[in-house]
Amino acid sequence: DTAVSQTPKYLVTQMGNDKSIKCEQNLGHDTMYWYKQDSKKFLKIMFSYNNKELIINETVPNRFSPKSPDKAHLNLHINSLELGDSAVYFCASSPVGTAYGYTFGSGTRLTVV
Amino acid sequence: ELKVEQNPLFLSMQEGKNYTIYCNYSTTSDRLYWYRQDPGKSLESLFVLLSNGAVKQEGRLMASLDTKARLSTLHITAAVHDLSATYFCAVTPFTGNQFYFGTGTSLTVIP
Repeated sequence: DTAVSQTPKYLVTQMGNDKSIKCEQNLGHDTMYWYKQDSKKFLKIMFSYNNKELIINETVPNRFSPKSPDKAHLNLHINSLELGDSAVYFCASSPVGTAYGYTFGSGTRLTVV
Repeated sequence: ELKVEQNPLFLSMQEGKNYTIYCNYSTTSDRLYWYRQDPGKSLESLFVLLSNGAVKQEGRLMASLDTKARLSTLHITAAVHDLSATYFCAVTPFTGNQFYFGTGTSLTVIP
């Protein structure tokens, strides 16, 4: 019944590795997002997809690549992980328009060692 | 770049007291959102404010929006320990759906 689900919840990996985080929403929303929350709790948008189409790509290193196979899924692949990538990554979704705000996933805590 | 500032960043208050958290933003917008985040948890939607002068209340929390001043407030009445959390405001510009989040206010209510 989870509305926006992310996997894995925790991810510990070594520098230089490649990893993926998956996100799925069952709300029928058209738009999905990836946000990064740093150690100071600051939240910054990374990507936004509307019905599988990329509409926002903020200043994010090319090592980060989102993929949306359908409008219910938005995955995040990260190449050549660096220490500075350690953060909590949140997936979110919203219907068309902004009257209802976002629904957030539970987050993925990524630790790069 | 759109900037959203909250103050205070940290707030420690005793149970039963009242306080207000402020959210200022740098662009014209009539859409503002408040979220709550408990430690290690996701963000939970509290209020959606969609017009100038909008006021919404839920329990001990009341949020308001003044689009002319580019200011939203989150007022806490007679705080209780269960309100301890980090509170974020977020703004969307007139063009686009993306949220720009404030810096967050970490609230601790002391029994």
